[in-house]
Amino acid sequence: GAGVSQSPSNKVTEKGKDVELRCDPISGHTALYWYRQSLGQGLEFLIYFQGNSAPDKSGLPSDRFSAERTGGSVSTLTIQRTQQEDSAVYLCASSLVRDVLFFGPGTRLTVL
Amino acid sequence: TQLLEQSPQFLSIQEGENLTVYCNSSSVFSSLQWYRQEPGEGPVLLVTVVTGGEVKKLKRLTFQFGDARKDSSLHITAAQPGDTGLYLCAWDQGGSEKLVFGKGTKLTVNP
Repeated sequence: GAGVSQSPSNKVTEKGKDVELRCDPISGHTALYWYRQSLGQGLEFLIYFQGNSAPDKSGLPSDRFSAERTGGSVSTLTIQRTQQEDSAVYLCASSLVRDVLFFGPGTRLTVL
Repeated sequence: TQLLEQSPQFLSIQEGENLTVYCNSSSVFSSLQWYRQEPGEGPVLLVTVVTGGEVKKLKRLTFQFGDARKDSSLHITAAQPGDTGLYLCAWDQGGSEKLVFGKGTKLTVNP
């Protein structure tokens, strides 16, 4: 596609349930990033992929969070046993050139 | 982790006014980026500044990088309602390809 796409655009879940968020990067972009944006906050780095490997997972807030990338393309961010503090907009970005990030529209996650 | 401080946090002005927003750190930036985020969308890269004292212009937007590379400013001339959004600065820490973002300045331009 022309840009980064994310699905779903909105997700409402109950506390304790697992959720999967999907990111389709721009075709050919080797780097993929996940960020989280809470209300009134800036973007919080979660994880970065180069190809299928994740050199930097330092931003994952707990072991309930995991991410994978397959075929150097699509990435899935999984949150297990969701908590109310996980409510946020989850943004995905892809890049071909260092520091030139193209962001998707985000997935708004609400945990009730 | 180097922290980026952005000010003001909120800014509401009338169409046609000029404004400046700031991004500061206590440490030296290797380079700095400015993004604009509109409601319901992801951030969009506006500019990257690299050299101390550098000034870049993008139509009515002027970006300046401080001589010591510890601060940057974004000046908008004759603001328009279409300039409304969250303006974020971001810094590449080097080593790992991880951009660190400030909390942003939320700008509202009223018609």
